Amino acid sequence: NAGVTQTPKFQVLKTGQSMTLQCAQDMNHEYMSWYRQDPGMGLRLIHYSVGAGITDQGEVPNGYNVSRSTTEDFPLRLLSAAPSQTSVYFCASSSRGTGSHNEQFFGPGTRLTVL
Amino acid sequence: GDSVTQMEGPVTLSEEAFLTINCTYTATGYPSLFWYVQYPGEGLQLLLKATKADDKGSNKGFEATYRKETTSFHLEKGSVQVSDSAVYFCALSDFNDYKLSFGAGTTVTVRA
Repeated sequence: NAGVTQTPKFQVLKTGQSMTLQCAQDMNHEYMSWYRQDPGMGLRLIHYSVGAGITDQGEVPNGYNVSRSTTEDFPLRLLSAAPSQTSVYFCASSSRGTGSHNEQFFGPGTRLTVL
Repeated sequence: GDSVTQMEGPVTLSEEAFLTINCTYTATGYPSLFWYVQYPGEGLQLLLKATKADDKGSNKGFEATYRKETTSFHLEKGSVQVSDSAVYFCALSDFNDYKLSFGAGTTVTVRA
């Protein structure tokens, strides 16, 4: 199993550009989520999905879109990049199982810089 | 809402020293508590967890006990190694919820 994979690993954008961060998992997990990691702030939830066709907003959703057309993939779209979106982005997945008890598996991250 | 407060550090220790990282939480329900570790250049991985009061999670020599009366989940290790250098995150998820709330993270550096 590859686990959770993310591409690209690094990305530099100019203000106003759009892009999609890719996330895929091969563990047949129902739950997937996106976090951003900023110094001194831990990880903050952007969007999440409890299954194909279902998405919802997290703590910091503004400026980001998601969709979940398959169980495996959960791309994150930046509509018009801003310098405030410079961050490290992590995708995570977990099985539904017993809900909050389940371990979330994280991808290696995408480091995004917006100039 | 739910929140986690943890000692921010950075923490620098010598090998074989005792490590403790404080973590306290605020939650309305009955949360599950977690410690995640992030090694340099990698994503987060689960270190240990506890799902109810007085549970002790343990892994790789690390321990943490879920204390409901003090709303705490402090991480401890009796003798650290250079390989324990990492960022440690305390986190919680509310009962039957998948969303994690994270603390700010504590950077630990262990010197030989």
